[in-house]
Amino acid sequence: SQTIHQWPATLVQPVGSPLSLECTVEGTSNPNLYWYRQAAGRGLQLLFYSVGIGQISSEVPQNLSASRPQDRQFILSSKKLLLSDSGFYLCAWSPPPGGPNEQYFGPGTRLTVT
Amino acid sequence: GEDVEQSLFLSVREGDSSVINCTYTDSSSTYLYWYKQEPGAGLQLLTYIFSNMDMKQDQRLTVLLNKKDKHLSLRIADTQTGDSAIYFCAGGSGGYQKVTFGIGTKLQVIP
Repeated sequence: SQTIHQWPATLVQPVGSPLSLECTVEGTSNPNLYWYRQAAGRGLQLLFYSVGIGQISSEVPQNLSASRPQDRQFILSSKKLLLSDSGFYLCAWSPPPGGPNEQYFGPGTRLTVT
Repeated sequence: GEDVEQSLFLSVREGDSSVINCTYTDSSSTYLYWYKQEPGAGLQLLTYIFSNMDMKQDQRLTVLLNKKDKHLSLRIADTQTGDSAIYFCAGGSGGYQKVTFGIGTKLQVIP
């Protein structure tokens, strides 16, 4: 069966510090991968998605970036965090295209920028 | 693009049925999904329905789709306290197309 991992689970970082959040998927090949941010415990904002190694699409211009160095690894980064980057970050995967594109989510990372 | 709307809050008594409603704007949405999020956790896919279906049932969950009115509902039979969570409706066209999520309906189950 497939599993998705995210770490760290929680993170407190000062403004201006760098960020690296990691997401890995097990039990599947060539998944679509996604990064979302959830602010105020509600709506999801799609930040990035990837359909393959090195292929990243950005949905919202911001000071965040994403990379996919391996098939089942997705990394969210920032060189300098802003207060507004605080939130709950969710990674998700979906099977390769051809089907309903149902997404499966990781447990999330709670980021607090102070 | 797609816009998905849901009411923010629903309160029901334990043992009653819950009905969570959702409307969407994009008539080309091929798949419609329901997700559940418990506090501090990621989203859990509950079920999805293909747009050529009117209804899908899975144990205590029943999804109804009115494609003409672009209205989707999730009925939870015999609601339990463990069903307390935020429920997200989402729509998409499958394939590489992105999925658009609603803002979520918080379901409170009163013992």
